Amino acid sequence: DAGITQSPRHKVTETGTPVTLRCHQTENHRYMYWYRQDPGHGLRLIHYSYGVKDTDKGEVSDGYSVSRSKTEDFLLTLESATSSQTSVYFCAISVGRNLSNYGYTFGSGTRLTVV
Amino acid sequence: AQSVTQLDSHVSVSEGTPVLLRCNYSSSYSPSLFWYVQHPNKGLQLLLKYTSAATLVKGINGFEAEFKKSETSFHLTKPSAHMSDAAEYFCVVSRLYYGGSQGNLIFGKGTKLSVKP
Repeated sequence: DAGITQSPRHKVTETGTPVTLRCHQTENHRYMYWYRQDPGHGLRLIHYSYGVKDTDKGEVSDGYSVSRSKTEDFLLTLESATSSQTSVYFCAISVGRNLSNYGYTFGSGTRLTVV
Repeated sequence: AQSVTQLDSHVSVSEGTPVLLRCNYSSSYSPSLFWYVQHPNKGLQLLLKYTSAATLVKGINGFEAEFKKSETSFHLTKPSAHMSDAAEYFCVVSRLYYGGSQGNLIFGKGTKLSVKP
C-alpha cells in the first residue's frame, strides 16, 4: 500500500534464531501497529506504538518485542523464533487519535516460516 | 469489552446474485465499525466504515452495510456479486481505551467469499 512498506516480504528462519521485521511509513503517522494473521483467528494485535519510543503490548505479545526510534520505522523482533510464530505479519498505521474518523492503512504483509 | 462475531466462515454465491456477509458486535461504547477486504496474498483494504453518522454506509465496489443497534449487527451486502469480489472479508470494531486516547481494532475471524461463474 502506498506510504507503508514491510520488509522482508518472505522469510524462512530456523527455530531459536532472532528475527526482525521492519515496517516503514512515509506518512508521518503517529500510530503504528503489528498484527499477525493466522487461519481461523483473523488478525491479532501483537504490539503497537503511539509515538517515538512509546510502545505497548497487544493481546499476543509473548515472544515479541518492538522498537520505534524514529517516526517512520517500527521494528518487530522475535527474540527466539518458534514454530508457533509461523504466520503472516501485517503492519498498520493510523493517522489520528480519534478512530471514529479513520481506519487503518495496512502494509502488504511479511510471510514468516519458522522451521 | 468489545468483540465481533462473523457468523459465517465461508459464503458461496453465483455471479450476479446478492451477497450477504453477517457480522454481530458487542460494545460497551458507541462503536466504530469497519469492513475490510483481503484478496489472496494481498494486504487489507478498507471497504467502508460506520462512525455514528448515517446508519446505512456505502463503501467501495458497490458494497454497503447497515448499522442496526437494536440487533447489534453490521451486515455487509452487495446487490450483485462479481467474480472479482472473491476474497476474505473482515468485520472490525474499534476498541476505545478508557479516556478514548487510543483505539485498537478488534477483528472478526473472517468470511471467505467464493463467487461461482
